[in-house]
This record gives sequence, structure tokens and C-alpha cells, in this order.
Amino acid sequence: SAVISQKPSRDICQRGTSLTIQCQVDSQVTMMFWYRQQPGQSLTLIATANQGSEATYESGFVIDKFPISRPNLTFSTLTVSNMSPEDSSIYLCSVSQIRGPQVFGEKLFFGSGTQLSVL
Amino acid sequence: DAKTTQPPSMDCAEGRAANLPCNHSTISGNEYVYWYRQIHSQGPQYIIHGLKNNETNEMASLIITEDRKSSTLILPHATLRDTAVYYCIVRGVSSKLTFGKGITLSVRP
Repeated sequence: SAVISQKPSRDICQRGTSLTIQCQVDSQVTMMFWYRQQPGQSLTLIATANQGSEATYESGFVIDKFPISRPNLTFSTLTVSNMSPEDSSIYLCSVSQIRGPQVFGEKLFFGSGTQLSVL
Repeated sequence: DAKTTQPPSMDCAEGRAANLPCNHSTISGNEYVYWYRQIHSQGPQYIIHGLKNNETNEMASLIITEDRKSSTLILPHATLRDTAVYYCIVRGVSSKLTFGKGITLSVRP
């Protein structure tokens, strides 16, 4: 399985500021996703990070608030912009198993997450 | 992707088998059943997945009914470290994993 490194592991931020979260994978992967987990809740998909093109956002999430970059097949960033206390969550990066055309029924793996607290 | 239904919680004794049920009555023929678990606030951990046949790996077994409308995750010898939230997810060609609320498994000594 791919080894996923997320940075930072946690942060405490002030209202109105922005934080960029990094996701680094030790091998090239086709699919990369960003999730949010609010306190006591399940995981919610924010967007699919597309290599070389704009991310695909889920309903309720917009690029201005959560800009995403994916410059290559091993790295992606998620920025949480103009933060408010409601953005306090765990943010998780997820990647597919292998590179190449999507293999139906492939595994997806998760990073350890970034615990964000906004004051 | 089809939705899943899981009981909110269950418990079992340490050393015994834990059988976690999942209903996915609207599953279509090209959708897989995946199981993940999340311990505390760590990232979800992949457990197992399957399409039609029963599957077994070093962590668990997955039993899928013949009509594919339900499945059971079996942890053969539960330990205290298996206490976690377990998510049953149906995933198809959309490639996304859509998480429900999951089932909280508590393993008691």
C-alpha cells in the first residue's frame, strides 16, 4: 500500500487566516481525494484532486474556500481559506492504490489527517 | 453509489468473533462492498472489500449474500484494539468513497 504523509498533523489558527495542508505519497497514484471530518461526525468528501487540471468539488464545497492543487502524481495541497471556528475539523487525504487507468475495485488509502482548530 | 445501512453500535467479548452486519439493498451489479475502520480520530484503515464472492484476509472475512443485498464483516477473534467505528461502503464507477455513520464496535474485556 502507498505511504501517505500529511502535514501539518495539527494546527491552531486564528479566524480569518488560511492554512495549507500537504499530502505527499511515496508512489505515483491516479486518484487523490480530500475529506473533512467535523467533530463527532463521519467523513465528507470535499473534492477530487485532478492532476494538471482543476479539482472536482462536491456539493457544498467551493474552490474559493478550499483551493486544491495537484502538480504531479505524488503530491497535493488543500487550503482552508478565510477560516472560521466552523472549519475546525480533521482534514484527510486519500489516494488510490496504483497508477494508471482506474482499476475497478481498487483500494483507497488514507493519511493520518490534519487536526485543525480555529479560534 | 448505493447507500448502506448499519446498526449504530454493538459490542462483543474479547476473544470472540465480532459479526458486523450491513444492508445495501439497492446495490448494483458493478458495485463493490468496502469495509474501513477508524480508531479514535486516526485516518480510516482499509479492512477488506469484495464484489460477489466471500473474501478473507489477515484482518477479517467478508461474507456477501447471494443476492448481494447485505453483507457481514467478521473479525474472528476480537481484541480490545479492534474497538473502533466500522464503515460499510458501496463503491461503484464513481470511484468515490461515500461514508455513512458507521457502526461503533466496543470490545469488552
